[in-house]
Amino acid sequence: QQQVKQSPQSLIVQKGGISIINCAYENTAFDYFPWYQQFPGKGPALLIAIRPDVSEKKEGRFTISFNKSAKQFSLHIMDSQPGDSATYFCAASNNNNDMRFGAGTRLTVKP
Amino acid sequence: GAVVSQHPSRVICKSGTSVKIECRSLDFQATTMFWYRQFPKQSLMLMATSNEGSKATYEQGVEKDKFLINHASLTLSTLTVTSAHPEDSSFYICSAKRTSGGATDTQYFGPGTRLTVL
Repeated sequence: QQQVKQSPQSLIVQKGGISIINCAYENTAFDYFPWYQQFPGKGPALLIAIRPDVSEKKEGRFTISFNKSAKQFSLHIMDSQPGDSATYFCAASNNNNDMRFGAGTRLTVKP
Repeated sequence: GAVVSQHPSRVICKSGTSVKIECRSLDFQATTMFWYRQFPKQSLMLMATSNEGSKATYEQGVEKDKFLINHASLTLSTLTVTSAHPEDSSFYICSAKRTSGGATDTQYFGPGTRLTVL
């Protein structure tokens, strides 16, 4: 059972544009929602994370928007750069160590 | 910081041999570590949760006798792939959660180990 659904599977954005990746979850017990960035041949690196008590969190060019009632959250990358080209994974977890990952979005930022 | 290392980064072995992969939290203590497997262009699949001083908890479908996990200290967990076969070839990634002193919900990932079984 896929508990976290991520879309799109791949995304191509022009340099300077906004990249938007969406995720939806099913388990209402999830209370922690991180986003990870992964480059080929490397491990995932934590990008930004949010808890359901806030609707938005911004760190530099990266923003998470969270809609608790809809059980959806999204990552926005402003002023996308070619160096942002990577695979992005959303995830959701609760205190019981049960972290579930989305299928991933391969982002390509064209110069 | 929260740095997790893995060793080796790449390993090539013959079918039937065993391979040990180490995962270390370098600047924090980790009561809980996780082992994932990732196939090309796919998401991370949790294999097992490793708790310091106790037996690992394996996900459904993961053979505990095939993938031996030991978490002997608060900074080290090891995964041993026993009698490896070509189908075990994959990218193995560990992660660790802080015991205290920071965000204890966050999983910090190692750089991964590429295993190729000939």
